[in-house]
Amino acid sequence: DTGVSQNPRHKITKRGQNVTFRCDPISEHNRLYWYRQTLGQGPEFLTYFQNEAQLEKSRLLSDRFSAERPKGSFSTLEIQRTEQGDSAMYLCASNLPDSHGEKLFFGSGTQLSVL
Amino acid sequence: GIQVEQSPPDLILQEGANSTLRCNFSDSVNNLQWFHQNPWGQLINLFYIPSGTKQNGRLSATTVATERYSLLYISSSQTTDSGVYFCVGLLGAAGNKLTFGGGTRVLVKP
Repeated sequence: DTGVSQNPRHKITKRGQNVTFRCDPISEHNRLYWYRQTLGQGPEFLTYFQNEAQLEKSRLLSDRFSAERPKGSFSTLEIQRTEQGDSAMYLCASNLPDSHGEKLFFGSGTQLSVL
Repeated sequence: GIQVEQSPPDLILQEGANSTLRCNFSDSVNNLQWFHQNPWGQLINLFYIPSGTKQNGRLSATTVATERYSLLYISSSQTTDSGVYFCVGLLGAAGNKLTFGGGTRVLVKP
């Protein structure tokens, strides 16, 4: 297993364009999380899936943002009509809660720059 | 208000020194974890430590959930320990919204 994989690694877009990021979690993990991190800050929770169900969304996730996990495996995060304030690192994480706990594993992130 | 407070915010160490990082929570905490974010941005899970003490090489962590704090100990620091250390936990009845602290930025000088 290669861990949590995110693509693309970097994305540069113009304001107003739509962008989509992909996350492939560790294969047996049923939970998947999206976080956003801006420079000098800790990651902020965006949303969380258990299998294909989106169970929680932060109020940071405006109506321009949508996340899906259609088959309970990979997930996509789409941002419509991007704004300069959307520039950030978008991080995906996954875990499989079991008797040993709920240790979380992160991908390398997608760095978004909106010009 | 602040829900996860980490101290100190910045730490400069001479290689070989020991240090203690602290994380305080404003509410009851579950699923507490410590992460190291390296200079390339990758978050590495150091410990899953909802309570008690664990050790992994030169690092160890202690969580006292009843008193709402956790400590991360770095012994014999190395330059590769540089980066940002985050504590993360589930606060109160926060569902599965794991909340990050603001981090402690560590620089280990050779």
